[in-house]
Amino acid sequence: QKEVEQDPGPLSVPEGAIVSLNCTYSNSAFQYFMWYRQYSRKGPELLMYTYSSGNKEDGRFTAQVDKSSKYISLFIRDSQPSDSATYLCAMPDSWGKLQFGAGTQVVVTP
Amino acid sequence: EAGVTQFPSHSVIEKGQTVTLRCDPISGHDNLYWYRRVMGKEIKFLLHFVKESKQDESGMPNNRFLAERTGGTYSTLKVQPAELEDSGVYFCASSQGREVADTQYFGPGTRLTVL
Repeated sequence: QKEVEQDPGPLSVPEGAIVSLNCTYSNSAFQYFMWYRQYSRKGPELLMYTYSSGNKEDGRFTAQVDKSSKYISLFIRDSQPSDSATYLCAMPDSWGKLQFGAGTQVVVTP
Repeated sequence: EAGVTQFPSHSVIEKGQTVTLRCDPISGHDNLYWYRRVMGKEIKFLLHFVKESKQDESGMPNNRFLAERTGGTYSTLKVQPAELEDSGVYFCASSQGREVADTQYFGPGTRLTVL
């Protein structure tokens, strides 16, 4: 069983729609939950992170963590074509080593 | 401020040859990580340097892979001899502090193709 599971997509949505992404994980020791965005031929870029359970909002992006069910989500409101990218969830261990999900490819069509 | 740079951006070699990948982290970042993504799989950790010391090399697949970080600055990852299954994208990331949630800044990756 993988430590982090993420549906690879692709997920295609029309411009302006809400994008909903999620991951499940198995290691209950994870405390930080991160979302990275990766554009084609680029490296991953940290979008936002959450500590423990709860919600965090940053502009059009909202991250949610439910530690009881080991489930994390990322919502993108009012999606734009520029949001088309691969979104990866990741969790660091105590030394910062990141455990990544497979990444979900998102396509926002004008 | 310059980001993490990696060289080359793409390398095509034949099975059995040697390839050396280079990573220049952001200046002042003590932590340097190597990750790779092979086709169809998730990005996986290879190893972690703190300055010039290897903190964790648990992700290195076998002894054909050798990583160094000279003087705590740039790092090289050598694959010798390369095998077909080594093909993938190799990412380098750096971070400044020692906190778990310190942002890791990724380079654009080196795409390695072994024929």
